[in-house]
Amino acid sequence: EPEVTQTPSHQVTQMGQEVILRCVPISNHLYFYWYRQILGQKVEFLVSFYNNEISEKSEIFDDQFSVERPDGSNFTLKIRSTKLEDSAMYFCASSSGGANEQFFGPGTRLTVL
Amino acid sequence: RKEVEQDPGPFNVPEGATVAFNCTYSNSASQSFFWYRQDCRKEPKLLMSVYSSGNEDGRFTAQLNRASQYISLLIRDSKLSDSATYLCVVNIGTGGFKTIFGAGTRLFVKA
Repeated sequence: EPEVTQTPSHQVTQMGQEVILRCVPISNHLYFYWYRQILGQKVEFLVSFYNNEISEKSEIFDDQFSVERPDGSNFTLKIRSTKLEDSAMYFCASSSGGANEQFFGPGTRLTVL
Repeated sequence: RKEVEQDPGPFNVPEGATVAFNCTYSNSASQSFFWYRQDCRKEPKLLMSVYSSGNEDGRFTAQLNRASQYISLLIRDSKLSDSATYLCVVNIGTGGFKTIFGAGTRLFVKA
């Protein structure tokens, strides 16, 4: 069964450093998403991406965040200058249509020290 | 008002019980609706999509009422393995889609 994969599973970084989180969506999917979940809190939408551009983004997705699909398979989330409050689990998801069910990767746990 | 609101829980039920989860949403531009389950420190996993006509998958039944902006999930004959957090999820928008998760309702099924 096709699945979404994410690397790394855990990333530890110093405050102010840049991090890139990587995702490989399901191969025939066209819509890609990033979410974050702070420990003990709900899953929060960050951004959706379709046809090589951002489709929607939330208030959380400010100038320190960017997304890219550098090739035909990877989908990345870059955080330019990490803050302590960026510590969270980051989930990537993909879907075959914008209103369709999304399938999630196992997440990257980001710890900012 | 929260965009997606769920019963806070937790629900503690014995094996074999029937349990109902409720969810309301506030945005009338909501297009599609889902229930996901999330186990501790894992990713959300799709349980089922929700339609106005209702849909059933084994022990699970989901229902959508667009007029009252209400979504429900019923689990019959609950199993120990049903213990998880149940997330109500709504897709909003017609062009770009924004996906909103409820805070989740925690379910504990006990032997």
